[in-house]
Amino acid sequence: GNSVTQMEGPVTLSEEAFLTINCTYTATGYPSLFWYVQYPGEGLQLLLKATKADDKGSNKGFEATYRKETTSFHLEKGSVQVSDSAVYFCALRPQGAQKLVFGQGTRLTINP
Amino acid sequence: DSGVTQTPKHLITATGQRVTLRCSPRSGDLSVYWYQQSLDQGLQFLIQYYNGEERAKGNILERFSAQQFPDLHSELNLSSLELGDSALYFCASSVGADSGNTIYFGEGSWLTVV
Repeated sequence: GNSVTQMEGPVTLSEEAFLTINCTYTATGYPSLFWYVQYPGEGLQLLLKATKADDKGSNKGFEATYRKETTSFHLEKGSVQVSDSAVYFCALRPQGAQKLVFGQGTRLTINP
Repeated sequence: DSGVTQTPKHLITATGQRVTLRCSPRSGDLSVYWYQQSLDQGLQFLIQYYNGEERAKGNILERFSAQQFPDLHSELNLSSLELGDSALYFCASSVGADSGNTIYFGEGSWLTVV
């Protein structure tokens, strides 16, 4: 079946630190991959996406590269800010399907 | 602001009761989805409608039902509520029903069953 496994949280970093949140997936065919972010008290927002192997999604300084050989889509940011504190969800959309399959989420806290 | 509107934002009700959650999709979006976010199950897909027709079904309980109306808004009906139904219910929408469309989420409806 289709599944997403995310790095265990919570993750706590200092401002300006480098961030990596690991995400690996299991899927048949060629899924699309996504990172969504949930800020405190808010809904899910699409952060970035990649629809085919070797694509790099980027937004707001965050990046993730679709690696089919390692079935991974790790989220990175070079210098985090306090405002990046949120819960981050990795998700996949199976090929030909519309529903999203989410990982369990990783809570990120950035301290000043 | 994603453009997806959900009401109510918060709801507290007793076990055995029935509630209705409402969703207005983004302007122009024909597809609506419902997801449930709970502490033990995480984010789970419940059901999808496209232009009034059920398109896909996920882990939706028989006590739950949904529909999409001609004006494209959707309602999720939860009945015979149990404590374990307490969760954040998200509605989402997209332009079409194909996998190439980006899915946008609302802010969710918090349901607490006491």
